[in-house]
Amino acid sequence: DTAVSQTPKYLVTQMGNDKSIKCEQNLGHDTMYWYKQDSKKFLKIMFSYNNKELIINETVPNRFSPKSPDKAHLNLHINSLELGDSAVYFCASSLQGGTGELFFGEGSRLTVL
Amino acid sequence: QQQVKQSPQSLIVQKGGISIINCAYENTAFDYFPWYQQFPGKGPALLIAIRPDVSEKKEGRFTISFNKSAKQFSLHIMDSQPGDSATYFCAADKNAGGTSYGKLTFGQGTILTVHP
Repeated sequence: DTAVSQTPKYLVTQMGNDKSIKCEQNLGHDTMYWYKQDSKKFLKIMFSYNNKELIINETVPNRFSPKSPDKAHLNLHINSLELGDSAVYFCASSLQGGTGELFFGEGSRLTVL
Repeated sequence: QQQVKQSPQSLIVQKGGISIINCAYENTAFDYFPWYQQFPGKGPALLIAIRPDVSEKKEGRFTISFNKSAKQFSLHIMDSQPGDSATYFCAADKNAGGTSYGKLTFGQGTILTVHP
């Protein structure tokens, strides 16, 4: 049973479109994250939520809007997609008061044409 | 400064050899130093982690060495195997898992290839 699952795994779209990536975790964790991995494999945090509350917003363009309907879900909506948004987006979760380990999903590869 | 610098960018090792990856950090507030392993098409997964109250931690063939005064830490993979071929990321955080909401700052990654 997958711990952190993301959909879709692959996303190919045109510039200017709007797209969403969904994430769900069944680990009972209270903190969830979105990380972006660029073409050079560099991983950088975008957002984190704790119990549905936005905690970290790392100067991401406001075209990116996360939404956490409950503590097991964190979705990412991207408006007006640009070429530079092409990347792999990873959802992750962790347990507050735990060891600090992040559990990552398998990633969603977004290609903007 | 939140940067974590990792080297080398890529590493080729023969089967049975020792792989060594180094990281340096600047923020003295960091108190949690994990290493993540990432296989192609997969998300990163925690390999081993250390906190600054110890200078070394070993789990099987994987060892973290930590030098607090130099603000450096390294991953040693003993008896490297072809199955170890992956991208390795060092990272740093403060008060991870505690009452504050930390965030992982990752190094740039090292692509390890172990030849049979």
